[in-house]
Amino acid sequence: QVQLHESGPGLVRSSETLSLTCTVSGFSISRGYFWGWIRQPPGKGLEWLGIFSHTGSTYLSPSLKSRLTISVDTSRNQFSLKLSSVTAADTAVYYCARVPAVTHYFDYWGQGTLVTVSS
Amino acid sequence: SYVLTQPPSVSVAPGQTARITCGGNNFGSKSAHWYQQKPGQAPVLVVYDDSDRPSGIPERFSGSNSGNTATLTISRVDAGDEADYYCQVWDTSSDHPGVFGGGTKLTVL
Repeated sequence: QVQLHESGPGLVRSSETLSLTCTVSGFSISRGYFWGWIRQPPGKGLEWLGIFSHTGSTYLSPSLKSRLTISVDTSRNQFSLKLSSVTAADTAVYYCARVPAVTHYFDYWGQGTLVTVSS
Repeated sequence: SYVLTQPPSVSVAPGQTARITCGGNNFGSKSAHWYQQKPGQAPVLVVYDDSDRPSGIPERFSGSNSGNTATLTISRVDAGDEADYYCQVWDTSSDHPGVFGGGTKLTVL
């Protein structure tokens, strides 16, 4: 059974870098799927952040592209998100998910982790 | 970037059919995906590629996509279906290929 779990600090200072890791179990990251990140500010809708494949194909939200980095550690079956220069607007629940190729929907999700940006 | 428009809310009585729409330019030429999100929980995929259901999703959930509108249909609605529903598209012709609609709150009266 595919399971994803987000981990990282729940509180980040404004202007610093937000770092999260997604640990995948029950499925190998190297098996030909994409993997992605989504976030949801409190009380608001879902925002698509970006997806990548272990072969190097990456698609990022244009509005965050300059601040967003997604990387993968296949040896640990993990992938990570780094968002630099955060502000209060980056406060959200962050989800990681698996993404079947071709039409790129999100079929398995982590439970989400709340990251609060403090001033 | 591609824009998906959903009604903020839809209300339906138990046992009736709920239809949640998602509008986008020439949406019928792309694949629509739908997610259900209950309070405090992660979203769950309920329909993908316009009308396919993942394993474990009841047949009461169905989807269609034509012209500029995709529709999620939930038949025989019950209280357990009350949730936020989001549509999503993948559009490689856009500079923002992955997009979610704004979400629709389904209320079961």
